[in-house]
Amino acid sequence: DSGVTQTPKHLITATGQRVTLRCSPRSGDLSVYWYQQSLDQGLQFLIQYYNGEERAKGNILERFSAQQFPDLHSELNLSSLELGDSALYFCASSVTTGTGIQETQYFGPGTRLLVL
Amino acid sequence: DAKTTQPNSMESNEEEPVHLPCNHSTISGTDYIHWYRQLPSQGPEYVIHGLTSNVNNRMASLAIAEDRKSSTLILHRATLRDAAVYYCIHRIGRGAQKLVFGQGTRLTINP
Repeated sequence: DSGVTQTPKHLITATGQRVTLRCSPRSGDLSVYWYQQSLDQGLQFLIQYYNGEERAKGNILERFSAQQFPDLHSELNLSSLELGDSALYFCASSVTTGTGIQETQYFGPGTRLLVL
Repeated sequence: DAKTTQPNSMESNEEEPVHLPCNHSTISGTDYIHWYRQLPSQGPEYVIHGLTSNVNNRMASLAIAEDRKSSTLILHRATLRDAAVYYCIHRIGRGAQKLVFGQGTRLTINP
């Protein structure tokens, strides 16, 4: 158990809909990262929040957005869903001090999204 | 993004050592090498990381070549539970904190 929790575990929805994925980081971790894992693209970084503010952006579509709340939990909002958005979405957290390149990221169990 | 090269798949037997290679030819002075693995139906988990010298922890050992352009993750006695996809990640010293995953090596352990 990494200490990172994600809800829901599974989500089935239809094209055009909007969903929200939730992540609670490990106690004391200030950074939250979102990753998408699909069969054709592998594991890809989407976005990072640090202590409530966006710190880095990766291959995140404009239809997707995220935020980190004062209690440090984070939500990833996916809207106007398309079939190709079906994937596993992972959240990770880390303490983040300095450059962070030695830091371990702790991953949650993921949310499996299926868009029909 | 820094690129690493790993074999797509490897196979080994239970209770034998496993050596997983990785090439990271563009590595420079302050860059680290991290290894993560992803067990079936789980999120990635940290295995080990290093800069220049060899590193050991309870999960594995990391041997880094003298020129730092390659490294080897060593599982000393593989168990069935070690069957996973292993990712070698080149973390750039002045880069962002994100992890850049390649295709990884799918390790199969035979009983």
